[in-house]
Amino acid sequence: AQKVTQAQTEISVVEKEDVTLDCVYETRDTTYYLFWYKQPPSGELVFLIRRNSFDEQNEISGRYSWNFQKSTSSFNFTITASQVVDSAVYFCALNSPARQLTFGSGTQLTVLP
Amino acid sequence: DTEVTQTPKHLVMGMTNKKSLKCEQHMGHRAMYWYKQKAKKPPELMFVYSYEKLSINESVPSRFSPECPNSSLLNLHLHALQPEDSALYLCASSQGKAGTNNNEQFFGPGTRLTVL
Repeated sequence: AQKVTQAQTEISVVEKEDVTLDCVYETRDTTYYLFWYKQPPSGELVFLIRRNSFDEQNEISGRYSWNFQKSTSSFNFTITASQVVDSAVYFCALNSPARQLTFGSGTQLTVLP
Repeated sequence: DTEVTQTPKHLVMGMTNKKSLKCEQHMGHRAMYWYKQKAKKPPELMFVYSYEKLSINESVPSRFSPECPNSSLLNLHLHALQPEDSALYLCASSQGKAGTNNNEQFFGPGTRLTVL
């Protein structure tokens, strides 16, 4: 079985603050893939990043950065200098060659002007 | 073209109606998916098609009937739905075989379904 936990249900920040969204996963598979998706109010899930289990390099893309740590089974997502347009529900997800995508419960991020 | 399109955007239907949701992608992806998402919940997988064949049915009631006419199209036929079936229905696609799962899924904007 596999499981993704996003303990933060809702987060509110003021524009320009940095914010980190936590994601903890459980899996018995040695090969697995981690994802982050953004879902704005319009409803479409927007793919942000994929990480393979054998690649623990952190990644930065503009204001977004991801910290993958196998030792703590975490794949956290940080938005630097948040903007109102970052307001959305963010989902962390996990799959493996033998298992379909499992989503966490999501974190509602609200960025206030 | 890195887009998954879905029609209609909104659908209201009665419990005795028959309707269909449509999904299309032109990215050459060979795996396509239907998800159901209730408010404030994550998406739940319903069906997976791999190379136009149904590979996974997550014990979905028979009032939902998927169809994959070709590699670019995915339909979801609806009949005799219940009010609790009201939800956002999302279509997604990914490269390669569904069983490899090492590719990200691209999602469409969804169809917001209301069953009266």
